Amino acid sequence: AQSVTQPDIHITVSEGASLELRCNYSYGATPYLFWYVQSPGQGLQLLLKYFSGDTLVQGIKGFEAEFKRSQSSFNLRKPSVHWSDAAEYFCAVGAGQTGANNLFFGTGTRLTVIP
Amino acid sequence: EAQVTQNPRYLITVTGKKLTVTCSQNMNHEYMSWYRQDPGLGLRQIYYSMNVEVTDKGDVPEGYKVSRKEKRNFPLILESPSPNQTSLYFCASSLLGSGEKLFFGSGTQLSVL
Repeated sequence: AQSVTQPDIHITVSEGASLELRCNYSYGATPYLFWYVQSPGQGLQLLLKYFSGDTLVQGIKGFEAEFKRSQSSFNLRKPSVHWSDAAEYFCAVGAGQTGANNLFFGTGTRLTVIP
Repeated sequence: EAQVTQNPRYLITVTGKKLTVTCSQNMNHEYMSWYRQDPGLGLRQIYYSMNVEVTDKGDVPEGYKVSRKEKRNFPLILESPSPNQTSLYFCASSLLGSGEKLFFGSGTQLSVL
């Protein structure tokens, strides 16, 4: 069965600093990987996704993520954080089989941005 | 505007009083799903549906029912709510297929007293 680990519950960064949110997954084959963002009081919005091909994927709002098969990781990065990036971030994995739309989510990382 | 609409946004009820949370999407999506979000546990899938009259259990289905009589609607039913079902609930939908983007509703905050 697949699983997702987000080891950082809460991260605080200064506005303008770089950001990296960690995500490790467990799955037998090449998974479908996603990052979603949840702003306060809102539903989740897709930032980016990886299926195959180039292991560095670009998303919305200046985010990118890199798939590293050897480390079973899919870390999210942003070179310069804006105050509006404060939110909760979820990594998710999809199985790519029957019920392929089903996603298994990590527990989330809450990002605080200080001026 | 493409959207997933959940109602109500907030709900306070008492143990044992049946309730329904509605979910509707206007994107003609085949796939719909319900999640609950709890602190420290992230989102966990309750039920999902691949099409009309096709539903299946997710990871935490106990105490919940769903139905999919129409493509656009996927209500979540709590026949006899209990306090451990106090949670933030999200409905989501997408086209059918691996890796399709999920569209989420704004959530329903349920408190069971």
